[in-house]
Amino acid sequence: EIVMTQSPATLSVSPGERATLSCWASQSITTNLAWYQQRPGQAPRLLIFGASTRATGIPVRFSGSGSGTEFTLTIDNLQPDDLAIYYCQQYNRWPPYSFGQGTKLEIK
Amino acid sequence: EVLLVQSGEEVKKPGESLKISCKGSGYRFGSYWIGWVRQRPGKGLEWMGMIFPGDSDTRFSPSFRGQVTISADKSLTTAYLQWSSLKASDSAIYYCAKIREGYSDPFDSWGQGTRVTVSS
Repeated sequence: EIVMTQSPATLSVSPGERATLSCWASQSITTNLAWYQQRPGQAPRLLIFGASTRATGIPVRFSGSGSGTEFTLTIDNLQPDDLAIYYCQQYNRWPPYSFGQGTKLEIK
Repeated sequence: EVLLVQSGEEVKKPGESLKISCKGSGYRFGSYWIGWVRQRPGKGLEWMGMIFPGDSDTRFSPSFRGQVTISADKSLTTAYLQWSSLKASDSAIYYCAKIREGYSDPFDSWGQGTRVTVSS
């Protein structure tokens, strides 16, 4: 099983600033990496797939990068409703298509 | 618009059986994999398994194989997650989600979740 590790566990950023979230895979997953946003009390929402492709309707403030085992989600111009937990997920090899443990993004 | 609508909250006792549902609309239900994800209280997302409604091909995470049953009725455009004997540790929110294209793809649409509470 591929293990996904996210860092940091919690990130506190001021509105208008940039947030940088990291995700590592225990073995290469090429670019088969997705990022999801889960706002409090809501279902997750797909933000990024293929490591860097924004899903439909996702603002350009959200960008993804990386390949192999190291990946980054960057959120520019942080807004109050970006308060959420962000999960990465690999879909290169199953079972399962494992998730990271999540990064909680707090707004200062 | 793709919609996945899940059945309502359930409160059950240990040892009872349960089947929850996920009805899809707005797309060709039989042509896309649907997966199930568990989220225990205050915890992260766990990928459980998935089904291709077109032929009922099913894949499981090793952690969930034998613990749950995943099925689908293409004529009703509905997928199901089923337990034969619930445990307290099954208490969680369960999400269904549509896989974007082929089976090696992320979830691009999610249901609203079904909360299951198992308590004596």
